[in-house]
Order: sequence, then C-alpha cells, then structure tokens
Amino acid sequence: GQNIDQPTEMTATEGAIVQINCTYQTSGFNGLFWYQQHAGEAPTFLSYNVLDGLEEKGRFSSFLSRSKGYSYLLLKELQMKDSASYLCAVEDSNYQLIWGAGTKLIIKP
Amino acid sequence: IAGITQAPTSQILAAGRRMTLRCTQDMRHNAMYWYRQDLGLGLRLIHYSNTAGTTGKGEVPDGYSVSRANTDDFPLTLASAVPSQTSVYFCASSEGGQGASPLHFGNGTRLTVT
Repeated sequence: GQNIDQPTEMTATEGAIVQINCTYQTSGFNGLFWYQQHAGEAPTFLSYNVLDGLEEKGRFSSFLSRSKGYSYLLLKELQMKDSASYLCAVEDSNYQLIWGAGTKLIIKP
Repeated sequence: IAGITQAPTSQILAAGRRMTLRCTQDMRHNAMYWYRQDLGLGLRLIHYSNTAGTTGKGEVPDGYSVSRANTDDFPLTLASAVPSQTSVYFCASSEGGQGASPLHFGNGTRLTVT
C-alpha cells in the first residue's frame, strides 16, 4: 500500500529552527508537496520538490532524497504565526496525491 | 479577490437528508477536487474533475456524487447523509491535471450529520 509518515506533533521555541520529516512509500514518484494549514483554515501551498536536493524559499526550505523516500521541511527563525499543521503530499505514478496526516507544530515564546 | 468559494461554511444535517455543498472558482483552473479531512487522517480525495464535463472517483467516493457542467462550478452532493460523513470538506482547484500543479483550497465546509 501507499504510505506517508510524519510526526504527529512537534514543539519548538520562537526564533529557533525546526525540521519536520516526511517519509513515503508510494507507487512511483512524480513530486512532493508541502502545505501549511492553520487551525480552522484551508491548506496553503509551501513548496514542491521533484529533484533531489534543497529548495530554499525565504525562511522555509524543503529537501528531497528520492532514493531514501525522504523529505524534510526546515523552518528558520520561527515566529508565533508559524504555529500550524504541515502537510506532506506525494504525487504517485498516476499523478494521484497521497497525503500524510500532517504534523502539528507548536511554537512557544 | 480570486479564489475558491465554498458554501455553506458549516451545516448540521439530519441523517437521511440530501445535501449539496457548493464550490465555485474564478481562476479558470481546469482541474477541481473534493477532499474530506478527518482528525488524525490525511486529506482523502472523494471525487475529482480534470476538465469541465468529466469527473472521476477518488479514494472515498461512496455516498457522494459530483457534476462539472462548467469550468467554475463543482458541487458535491450527499444523496442520503450518514453520521460517518461528518467531516470538514475542502474543495480545491489546480491549473493542470490531477496532482500536476499546486492545489488552491477553499475555506472548507464543516458538516455534522446527526
């Protein structure tokens, strides 16, 4: 079966750095997405990786290793507004999106 | 402001009743999707449409139907609601076919079936 694993919850301190991991087992691979979802709101797109390596976008970076079935989202200089759930989704060989259950990130002052 | 509009925002529905969740986008995106989101689970695809006039079944289609008469509208109908359909429903759209480009989500409909 197809599976996406992420930690259920993480806690970090304002101003610090946090890494949210995502491992996947899917039928083929056509790309990996990260979305941010604040409580009670819709998911919003953060990043897309299809080749191995690091993609940097401001305070957020996303890394992919296709051979390891692994990605992480790195958030730097954490702000209180970064408290949210972070969803990992993989596009399989049929271009179907497989979603992880999300990681709830709690930022403490 | 361009985007996706869902209605209603929330609804309490008696079991056995019929309900249509509305979704409209003004971005002229080809593809549209309906997801449900339940606590502890990832988003699950109910139905999708790659272009106006076509629809397809997702991971959890039973008990739901959709139509795509035009590019902008993609309503989701529950023919006879059951308590297990209590969930938050998100409509989404993308420029390309399924999974080919980032999804844009509506604000969701919180549905409670009693």
